Amino acid sequence: QVQLVESGGGVVQPGRSLRLSCAASGFTFSSYAMHWVRQAPGKGLEWVAVISYDGSNKYYADSVKGRCTISRDNSKNTLYLQMNSLRPEDTAVYYCARGGADYYDISGYWRSGGMDVWGQGTTVTVSS
Amino acid sequence: SYELTQPPSVSVSPGQTARITCSGDALPKQYAYWYQQKPGQAPVLVIYKDTERPSGIPERFSGSSSGTTVTLTISGVQAEDEADYYCQSADSSDTYPFGGGTKLTVL
Repeated sequence: QVQLVESGGGVVQPGRSLRLSCAASGFTFSSYAMHWVRQAPGKGLEWVAVISYDGSNKYYADSVKGRCTISRDNSKNTLYLQMNSLRPEDTAVYYCARGGADYYDISGYWRSGGMDVWGQGTTVTVSS
Repeated sequence: SYELTQPPSVSVSPGQTARITCSGDALPKQYAYWYQQKPGQAPVLVIYKDTERPSGIPERFSGSSSGTTVTLTISGVQAEDEADYYCQSADSSDTYPFGGGTKLTVL
């Protein structure tokens, strides 16, 4: 069955780094854009980053731009999120999600579709 | 940064119709998506491309779009529909924001 399994979360001190992984199975990973989404305790969903199916396009939320890098290894069916200079406000459950059908908007720009498959999340706690 | 605006809460009795709105300037140009999240669980996509329903989602869930507002409608609400609902879209700066979420309470 289609499945996403995140790993790599944990407790880390402010300013340190962490790399999250997301293992995909049950579908052709290399055909889909992939997203990272996070949810701070008691808060709503916050989109973090997206990577296109081949890794050629990567976009980030302003809150993580310059500190996080999204990447993928299609040969390993795995998505990554490298997080540097971590802050207490990065504390959250981090979900990976498969992008639905891509489309081109009326201006002709590539857009990932909605997130149609989600993992169960991995928890990151940034605290001294 | 681009924002999508949802009401914080909506309450309905079982069997009634719940409508949850989401407003954003870019919605006329981009598709909207809706997610259901129950406590302790990952979100689930319930509507994609404004009005389409994924397989396995009950027919009582529907979506509509008008100008800068999209609406998730749940007809004949059941107790199991009590959850948080989030809209999400894209914007011209290549980000994919979520709305703040709406807590649906079934009375």
